[in-house]
Amino acid sequence: EVQLVESGGGLVKPGRSLRLSCTASGFTFGDYAMSWFRQAPGKGLEWVGFIRSKAYGGTTEYAASVKGRFTISRDDSKSIAYLQMNSLKTEDTAVYYCTRDRAPGGMDVWGQGTTVTVSS
Amino acid sequence: AIQMTQSPSSLSASVGDRVTITCRASQGIRNDLGWYQQKPGKAPKLLIYAASSLQSGVPSRFSGSGSGTDFTLTISSLQPEDFATYYCLQDYNYPPTFGQGTKLEIK
Repeated sequence: EVQLVESGGGLVKPGRSLRLSCTASGFTFGDYAMSWFRQAPGKGLEWVGFIRSKAYGGTTEYAASVKGRFTISRDDSKSIAYLQMNSLKTEDTAVYYCTRDRAPGGMDVWGQGTTVTVSS
Repeated sequence: AIQMTQSPSSLSASVGDRVTITCRASQGIRNDLGWYQQKPGKAPKLLIYAASSLQSGVPSRFSGSGSGTDFTLTISSLQPEDFATYYCLQDYNYPPTFGQGTKLEIK
């Protein structure tokens, strides 16, 4: 079964750091780009960032709201994508989702989400 | 960033109804648009990709159309499990941007 499972969410104080993991199974992880999205409580969906597959350089793109604070990486040997979040702000409070990115072709696999709460 | 204007923001309909949701892009995006369904407390689910291609496993009552700036999601005959929030997402360029969402409720 193709699956993504996020982990690492929790309660953190403003200015601190947190690392989320996205563990993939059921497909060849290294063949795909991976994206992160988030959804603040009661709000719509927001793209956070993206990492290309190694075949396309493994490079990254970020939303302006997180650029310079968040870093996406991947470990293809473990089938894990990471979202390192530094200098967290209260407005980063959200459910974070990782997705398999088939672009073009949409985000066809989503994890269940992990909740990040930034509060003093 | 490309702005996606989705309408309506909410919609009340009955089982068996035909419903249409639209998204308009602030600039041309070819057919680089997907439609997603989200139920409360759940992750979004891809329904349509490349504007009109049905994702594997999605019922055929869902269809998408459009190209350039104007796009439509149609549900031909609403089923009880279709009541949810729907989002369009353009992945033509960075940053990918969503419509504001359409909450589909039971009349």
